[in-house]
Amino acid sequence: GAVVSQHPSRVICKSGTSVKIECRSLDFQATTMFWYRQFPKQSLMLMATSNEGSKATYEQGVEKDKFLINHASLTLSTLTVTSAHPEDSSFYICSARDGRGNDEQYFGPGTRLTVT
Amino acid sequence: QKEVEQNSGPLSVPEGAIASLNCTYSDRVSQSFFWYRQYSGKSPELIMSIYSNGDKEDGRFTAQLNKASQYVSLLIRDSQPSDSATYLCAVNIGAGKSTFGDGTTLTVKP
Repeated sequence: GAVVSQHPSRVICKSGTSVKIECRSLDFQATTMFWYRQFPKQSLMLMATSNEGSKATYEQGVEKDKFLINHASLTLSTLTVTSAHPEDSSFYICSARDGRGNDEQYFGPGTRLTVT
Repeated sequence: QKEVEQNSGPLSVPEGAIASLNCTYSDRVSQSFFWYRQYSGKSPELIMSIYSNGDKEDGRFTAQLNKASQYVSLLIRDSQPSDSATYLCAVNIGAGKSTFGDGTTLTVKP
């Protein structure tokens, strides 16, 4: 149980284009999903918290107009990196929290984004 | 002061030994604590959660929590080379959010 998928696993795009990353909870309903970014040999950095049916809450310093988050259902959240630049190249990981009241987060496998 | 502090390591132990990973946190009201394992190039995987003071055992893993000292640890018994990874300590900070330590890199040598 508690499986989270993420798609695509790897993407290469040209500077200035947009990339959409999907995060799905496969066997549970996720009341909350989180989006993280991780640069090589660094820790996880929380970008935003996504609740189904409401606007995402962004962490300080994260541009909401650049990183668009949509949480349309209890099993799907998407992150769109708009007008990507090479400095956006990173490992993007989503996690989902189930609705059973504990605070455990289950991570997707991550998406490695390379912007050329 | 960081909210969650971990020894960065690297920590190296021989196969079969006990690996001890430590974590301190600053928010006294935190109630939920987690250990994640992250292999190189992969995403984190939840291995233990602990909510009450004391020990919690799951197979070769034991999590220990001391809220008075704001300290949580993870012991790995009979360490195996496959345990070599970065271990992340996470502390719930409310609204379902957790803050993560920078991780301790463990190497188990055959």
